[in-house]
Amino acid sequence: QKEVEQNSGPLSVPEGAIASLNCTYSDRGSQSFFWYRQYSGKSPELIMSIYSNGDKEDGRFTAQLNKASQYVSLLIRDSQPSDSATYLCAVEQGGSEKLVFGKGTKLTVNP
Amino acid sequence: SQTIHQWPATLVQPVGSPLSLECTVEGTSNPNLYWYRQAAGRGLQLLFYSVGIGQISSEVPQNLSASRPQDRQFILSSKKLLLSDSGFYLCAWSQGAYGYGYTFGSGTRLTVV
Repeated sequence: QKEVEQNSGPLSVPEGAIASLNCTYSDRGSQSFFWYRQYSGKSPELIMSIYSNGDKEDGRFTAQLNKASQYVSLLIRDSQPSDSATYLCAVEQGGSEKLVFGKGTKLTVNP
Repeated sequence: SQTIHQWPATLVQPVGSPLSLECTVEGTSNPNLYWYRQAAGRGLQLLFYSVGIGQISSEVPQNLSASRPQDRQFILSSKKLLLSDSGFYLCAWSQGAYGYGYTFGSGTRLTVV
C-alpha cells in the first residue's frame, strides 16, 4: 500500500513568518510530487509541482524534494492570513499517473 | 483552456434514494477522469477512475458505481444511498501523462439524511 504521510496539524504561524509543511512517502518509484491548497468547503487547487531533487521556487512558495529520504516539503514565506487552508501533499505512483494524497496539514496564519 | 464542471454543488438526499452526480470536462480530449470522496476530517479517497469511454476502474468496494458514456463525461451513481455515503465528492481530470497532476471540479457536498 503506497502511503503519503503528513502532520495533520493544525500548524499556526504569525503573519509574515515562514510556514513549513512536510510530507513523507513510501513509494521509491515515485517521480512527480504536488502540493494542493484546499480552503474550507472548497476543492483542492494545485499550487506547486516538483520532479527533481532540490528546491523549486514560485513567488512566496518553495517546494523541496529529497528522493533519497523520500521527503517533500513546502515553505511559505511571508505568510498571509489568506494562506490559511489545508495543504495536501500528492505523490504520483511509480509506473502510473495515479496520485496518492496525504490527509493534509491545516495551516492557520494569525494576523 | 480546459475547464471542469461538476454539479450539483450541494445535495441532501434521504437514505435509500438514488444518486447521480455529473462531471464534464471542456477543452481537452481523452482525459483521465477520477471520482474522489472526502469525508469530514479525512483525506481524499479515490473511488473510481477512467482512462477512456466505458473503461471504469473501482478502487474500493462500496455502494457506488461510475460510468463514462462520453469522452468528457463522468457520472457517479448509487441505487440506494446509505448514511455513510455522506461526504464531499470531487471529480478530477488529468492529461493521462506523468507529471501533470490533477485538476479538480468544484465538488458536490452530499448529505444523506
